[in-house]
Amino acid sequence: DAGITQSPRHKVTETGTPVTLRCHQTENHRYMYWYRQDPGHGLRLIHYSYGVKDTDKGEVSDGYSVSRSKTEDFLLTLESATSSQTSVYFCAIRDGTSGSYEQYFGPGTRLTVT
Amino acid sequence: RKEVEQDPGPFNVPEGATVAFNCTYSNSASQSFFWYRQDCRKEPKLLMSVYSSGNEDGRFTAQLNRASQYISLLIRDSKLSDSATYLCVVNLRGSQGNLIFGKGTKLSVKP
Repeated sequence: DAGITQSPRHKVTETGTPVTLRCHQTENHRYMYWYRQDPGHGLRLIHYSYGVKDTDKGEVSDGYSVSRSKTEDFLLTLESATSSQTSVYFCAIRDGTSGSYEQYFGPGTRLTVT
Repeated sequence: RKEVEQDPGPFNVPEGATVAFNCTYSNSASQSFFWYRQDCRKEPKLLMSVYSSGNEDGRFTAQLNRASQYISLLIRDSKLSDSATYLCVVNLRGSQGNLIFGKGTKLSVKP
């Protein structure tokens, strides 16, 4: 299994509070991604990173920010959580050196905003 | 129109059955194709990449038809452990490797 961990694994927070989710990899992969998964939707890309300090928006980036100060860590921040951000959040990584586009996922974080 | 469409199922099959999943994609710039498997309350896991010539991995066979923008996954001799949701996934050329996921097809294999 790819060396990807996510923390916390579960979190319950109140509307309006800031929340930061962490993704940590031990594979030294260049690319990292944050997705959310909701019933009735496929996985949707929030933000991604193509290197340290290099990030870009995905399909559903409103209300989220990211940072990547080290190769191994990619943080997702909800500045002011809303109930619509209740979801399961998955981090993924991709090597990118071999021309492959396969991504490998972390175990997920279940976030509930009350 | 959704970019990647799959029959949501569920497909309920007996052990030993052969089951086929289909997927269509709308963007002709799609360049890489995958099937992922996702167990309940778990992360998606790569099952196999799909190549233009078709490819097989044990009981699993994937096919790609670029002209029809269609991808398939065939599972032979279904096992109870094959019960999961199967996600069809594509990557668009020039997209920094970003993947587009179908909503998945749920498979339940019964004894």
